Amino acid sequence: EAGVAQSPRYKIIEKRQSVAFWCNPISGHATLYWYQQILGQGPKLLIQFQNNGVVDDSQLPKDRFSAERLKGVDSTLKIQPAKLEDSAVYLCASTPQGTGELFFGEGSRLTVL
Amino acid sequence: RKEVEQDPGPFNVPEGATVAFNCTYSNSASQSFFWYRQDCRKEPKLLMSVYSSGNEDGRFTAQLNRASQYISLLIRDSKLSDSATYLCVVWGSSASKIIFGSGTRLSIRP
Repeated sequence: EAGVAQSPRYKIIEKRQSVAFWCNPISGHATLYWYQQILGQGPKLLIQFQNNGVVDDSQLPKDRFSAERLKGVDSTLKIQPAKLEDSAVYLCASTPQGTGELFFGEGSRLTVL
Repeated sequence: RKEVEQDPGPFNVPEGATVAFNCTYSNSASQSFFWYRQDCRKEPKLLMSVYSSGNEDGRFTAQLNRASQYISLLIRDSKLSDSATYLCVVWGSSASKIIFGSGTRLSIRP
């Protein structure tokens, strides 16, 4: 069974530029999460989708971050404009129905210069 | 107070030693508890769930103390390959609220 796919693995941009990350969850997993993990910290939830609806986006900085999951399958997370403090690994995870084990992708490492 | 707190470590112990970590949580209505392992520059992976009665998986034992609101992870006969960061994960009162601790770094020396 294929795991959670994410791209790109690495991205380096300058502040005020924009970036987009893509995630394809495990087939059949209804719940998809985007996490931000800053070096030395645990993952912080940015947004959670159930199918194509948003369940929780309370910690998403909506002035610069946006995310969508239009067809209830893959998802895109965008940052525009990026700030230095956005340098982090962006992890996508999925679960079958929002309970139990979280399956993570390998993450997208963002460096903002 | 953070919702989930862990001692960041690092714990540096010799191979073969027994090591234990605790994780405290603030929401008494939390439903489910897990330990995840994260290797350097890798994604987190589930190590084990934590059940009210305590559970064991080989050299690993997890326990939950609801009265004191903490979970623990005990690693016996530690191996070099156990070196990693161990993340405590708490599912809140609603299934949608998942909170990660900041992780405890463990380093096993030969």
